[in-house]
Amino acid sequence: GAGVSQSPSNKVTEKGKDVELRCDPISGHTALYWYRQSLGQGLEFLIYFQGNSAPDKSGLPSDRFSAERTGGSVSTLTIQRTQQEDSAVYLCASSPQGSMNTEAFFGQGTRLTVV
Amino acid sequence: AQSVTQLGSHVSVSEGALVLLRCNYSSSVPPYLFWYVQYPNQGLQLLLKYTSAATLVKGINGFEAEFKKSETSFHLTKPSAHMRDAAEYFCAVRGGGADGLTFGKGTHLIIQP
Repeated sequence: GAGVSQSPSNKVTEKGKDVELRCDPISGHTALYWYRQSLGQGLEFLIYFQGNSAPDKSGLPSDRFSAERTGGSVSTLTIQRTQQEDSAVYLCASSPQGSMNTEAFFGQGTRLTVV
Repeated sequence: AQSVTQLGSHVSVSEGALVLLRCNYSSSVPPYLFWYVQYPNQGLQLLLKYTSAATLVKGINGFEAEFKKSETSFHLTKPSAHMRDAAEYFCAVRGGGADGLTFGKGTHLIIQP
């Protein structure tokens, strides 16, 4: 596709349920990022995939959060046993491999509401 | 590890006035710096980026930023604010051994009529 695609755009879930958020990066982009945006908190880094390298998971807030990237393309962010504090906009971005001066291209995000 | 600090979570200017949004970075090596804008209910969009080719970088919508190594700053400016500039602005850095992008907490720009 022309840009980074995220689905669903909105998700309302009950506390304690598991959710899966999907990201389709721009074709050919080897780097993929997940961020969380909460009101007044800016962009919080969650996880970073680069090609076949081991992902940088240093931003995942707890072991309830996990992410995978299949075939170097589509990525899924999974939140288990959701809590109300997980409510936020989850943003995915992708970037071409190569030089450090390339920017990341963002999707529209998934707005997660835990009730 | 690199980091960015954006001074002022909210900045309010009058329409037609100068816009100045501050960003300071911390990096052990020359960084790559970016400014993104997020309009209401939209995704992040790149405004401009510094890649060491020139210290004064011009971006979209009349914005520009100047890289000052001595001050470790990359402040964003626009000579004359428009109502449509009301948005959230994020400074980001890449480099220092890490490939990922590190963002500041953002500055909400308010334009007064």
